[in-house]
Amino acid sequence: AQSVSQHNHHVILSEAASLELGCNYSYGGTVNLFWYVQYPGQHLQLLLKYFSGDPLVKGIKGFEAEFIKSKFSFNLRKPSVQWSDTAEYFCAVNAGQAGTALIFGKGTTLSVSS
Amino acid sequence: EAGVTQFPSHSVIEKGQTVTLRCDPISGHDNLYWYRRVMGKEIKFLLHFVKESKQDESGMPNNRFLAERTGGTYSTLKVQPAELEDSGVYFCASSQDPFEGPPHFTYEQYFGPGTRLTVT
Repeated sequence: AQSVSQHNHHVILSEAASLELGCNYSYGGTVNLFWYVQYPGQHLQLLLKYFSGDPLVKGIKGFEAEFIKSKFSFNLRKPSVQWSDTAEYFCAVNAGQAGTALIFGKGTTLSVSS
Repeated sequence: EAGVTQFPSHSVIEKGQTVTLRCDPISGHDNLYWYRRVMGKEIKFLLHFVKESKQDESGMPNNRFLAERTGGTYSTLKVQPAELEDSGVYFCASSQDPFEGPPHFTYEQYFGPGTRLTVT
């Protein structure tokens, strides 16, 4: 069965620190990969996505993620976090077919202190 | 463009009662999904509609849950009778038809704000 593992449950950083959130998935076929973010009191929204092509994808708000197929990983990075990045971050995958369900990791809560 | 909306935002019911959750997808989105997050756990898929048809309902926990999407527009998710373990946040998401628009629109799911269900 497909699964997604996020390594960190809660990450605490100071402003300007660099961020890397780990995500590994288990699935043997073609996958689409996503990072979603939920800011306090807001909807889940898409940060970035990978379908094919360049494995380094850039998203909104200065986030990027790198797909490493050999490691089944899709880690999220940001060189310098801001207080406004405080949120819960979810890694998700679905099979490389139209309309299939997303499989989510358990989420990582990021707290950034100013 | 209006996003995915869900109603109610929060529902508190007693064990044994019935609750109906509603989701209005983005206009024109044929794909509609229901997900649930139980406290402390991951967001889990419940089912997927394409227009009014159930494409995949493999995530529905049991027959106390009934989802409908009459006319292929909004969807309802009814829990009857509710149990304590049904408490959680129920999310709805929608996406475009895979045969319309650029290919990458096929896969992106837009989420609603969720309905927080508390069963006491």
